[in-house]
Amino acid sequence: GAVVSQHPSWVICKSGTSVKIECRSLDFQATTMFWYRQFPKQSLMLMATSNEGSKATYEQGVEKDKFLINHASLTLSTLTVTSAHPEDSSFYICSARDSREKVREQYFGPGTRLTVT
Amino acid sequence: KQEVTQIPAALSVPEGENLVLNCSFTDSAIYNLQWFRQDPGKGLTSLLLIQSSQREQTSGRLNASLDKSSGRSTLYIAASQPGDSATYLCAVSTYNNNDMRFGAGTRLTVKP
Repeated sequence: GAVVSQHPSWVICKSGTSVKIECRSLDFQATTMFWYRQFPKQSLMLMATSNEGSKATYEQGVEKDKFLINHASLTLSTLTVTSAHPEDSSFYICSARDSREKVREQYFGPGTRLTVT
Repeated sequence: KQEVTQIPAALSVPEGENLVLNCSFTDSAIYNLQWFRQDPGKGLTSLLLIQSSQREQTSGRLNASLDKSSGRSTLYIAASQPGDSATYLCAVSTYNNNDMRFGAGTRLTVKP
C-alpha cells in the first residue's frame, strides 16, 4: 500500500526558533497533501491543504505567516513552524493523496511530535 | 460546513463482547467515509474506507456501514480483544471540500 513518511518523528525546540517538518510520499506522486494538528486528547484539525507548485490553502484561524508550507515536488511537502511558542506544541500529521487514484483516499504519515520549551 | 460527531466518547467493555461505535455527519453530500484507529502517541491506521455508493465494508472482525441519507455510519467490532483498545476516528470527505473532516473519536478499552 501507499506509504507516507514524516521527518522528524519528534522534535524539541526552544521558544522563538523555527522548526521544519517534512512529509514524503514514498511510492506514489501526490499533487495534494494535507497538514493536520492534534492537541492531546483531541481530534485532528485540518490546518492547510498543500498543492504542488502553488500556494497552500489555509483553514480559518491558521496563520499562514507562522506555518509556512512548501510543496515543491510531487513527493515532498514541508511545514515550517516559525518563531515557535509553547502553545504550538502539538502532534502534526500529514497526509497525501495519490494523483493517479480516483478513490481520493488519503494516506497518513506517522506524525511528528513537536515540543516547544 | 461539515460537522462530524462520534458517540460515545469513551467505551469500556469486557473481552469478547461485540460492540458498535457511532458516527454522524451533517452534510450528506459525502465522497467517502473512513474509519481509523489511533494508538496513544501514534499516527493513524486506516481500517475501512466506504465510498458514497457503498453501504458497507468488512475486514476481519470489523464491519462498517454507511447510511448517507441519514448522515450516519457505524463501526461494528465482533468478539473484542484487549488489543482492540485504542481511539477510533471517523472522517468524511465531501464533494465540495478537498479534505477530510474528523470526529473527536471514541476511546475504546477492552478489559481482559
